[in-house]
Amino acid sequence: QVQLVQSGAEVKKPGASVKVSCKASGYTFTNYGLNWVRQAPGQGLEWMGWISAYNGDTSYEQKFQGRVTMTTDTSTGTAYMELRSLRSDDTAVYYCARGKLHLEHDYWGRGTLVTVSS
Amino acid sequence: SYELTQPPSVSVSPGQTASITCSGDKLGDKYACWYQQKPGQSPLLVIYQDTKRPSGIPERFSGSNSGNTATLTISGTQALDEADYYCQAWDTSTGVFGGGTKLTVL
Repeated sequence: QVQLVQSGAEVKKPGASVKVSCKASGYTFTNYGLNWVRQAPGQGLEWMGWISAYNGDTSYEQKFQGRVTMTTDTSTGTAYMELRSLRSDDTAVYYCARGKLHLEHDYWGRGTLVTVSS
Repeated sequence: SYELTQPPSVSVSPGQTASITCSGDKLGDKYACWYQQKPGQSPLLVIYQDTKRPSGIPERFSGSNSGNTATLTISGTQALDEADYYCQAWDTSTGVFGGGTKLTVL
């Protein structure tokens, strides 16, 4: 069965960086991409970007351009999302979700809570 | 930037039909999908490519998409359908979510 296992909760100070991992199993990793979606406390879903696990192509939401980097490691079937220059409004649960570009997010990880606080 | 608009809340009585709309410019020209999210849980795909149901999603969930509006319909709504629902589409290569609709079954 398809599983996306995310790394544990993080607490960071403003200005720091965070790197969240998402380990995939139960399917051929390079046949799909990974989306990253975040959800601030009590708020809706916000799409951050997508990466192809096949060739590393990326598409980032414009508001995160220059501050986010998405990568994959095909040897371990793991995707990573790094967000830099953290601010308090980056406090959110960060989800990875499997999907092909322009199509649905069909499987989701359980989320990683990132708290940004001084 | 492209926007999807949903009503903040919808109420329905058990056994009745709930309809949740999602509006966006020429949304009917794109694929729309819908996610259900219950408190403390990850989103769950319930409708994709406008009308398709993933395996395991009850038949009471259906979708449509035409013009500027996509609609999620839940027939014979049950108490366990109470959740937040989000529509999603793609604008070129950028994913866009609607603001979400809280479905209350009362």
